[in-house]
Amino acid sequence: AAGVIQSPRHLIKEKRETATLKCYPIPRHDTVYWYQQGPGQDPQFLISFYEKMQSDKGSIPDRFSAQQFSDYHSELNMSSLELGDSALYFCASSLGQGFFGTQYFGPGTRLTVL
Amino acid sequence: DAKTTQPPSMDCAEGRAANLPCNHSTISGNEYVYWYRQIHSQGPQYIIHGLKNNETNEMASLIITEDRKSSTLILPHATLRDTAVYYCIVRVEMDSNYQLIWGAGTKLIIKP
Repeated sequence: AAGVIQSPRHLIKEKRETATLKCYPIPRHDTVYWYQQGPGQDPQFLISFYEKMQSDKGSIPDRFSAQQFSDYHSELNMSSLELGDSALYFCASSLGQGFFGTQYFGPGTRLTVL
Repeated sequence: DAKTTQPPSMDCAEGRAANLPCNHSTISGNEYVYWYRQIHSQGPQYIIHGLKNNETNEMASLIITEDRKSSTLILPHATLRDTAVYYCIVRVEMDSNYQLIWGAGTKLIIKP
């Protein structure tokens, strides 16, 4: 069965650069969630989108923005990167908003900021 | 504030039942308890969720105390592939905004 696809899988950036992470949800899933997981930490919810509209908001920094497109894929845009942004970034998708539906997580994008 | 507390690590013998406890003493009446697990650095995997009643699926059982202040995830016949970090999570609503508040997780090691 198709799973959540994230690209790129690995990304290396310099401080103050920008980065764009992409997420392709499971077909027919209408909700996308973004998480950040620092080394040795639990996943921190950033933001979610349902039917292309922002649904719930977590601890997403102002330097980050995200959107969901008409084909339901989502992009997380990160600007003015800081060393502390180095983390695993997971995207998850589900059917239905509000965390009610089972979330299926992608393999993650490992971002390293030098 | 942490919504859930879990032991940082546990061991279990292969083939035995693994019982993972979670305290959520400040949980509100409409807040669900979810369990996810994460194997190494892979994406977390959904296990089970519940509100008040005990729940069972093909992966696990979830036992929620009557006062809902704690719960236990039970893996009935643990295998080596069940070695993972298990997260107890509470779904909260704040200002019409939903979030999953993840605990610190229990690292479960299944031993042969």
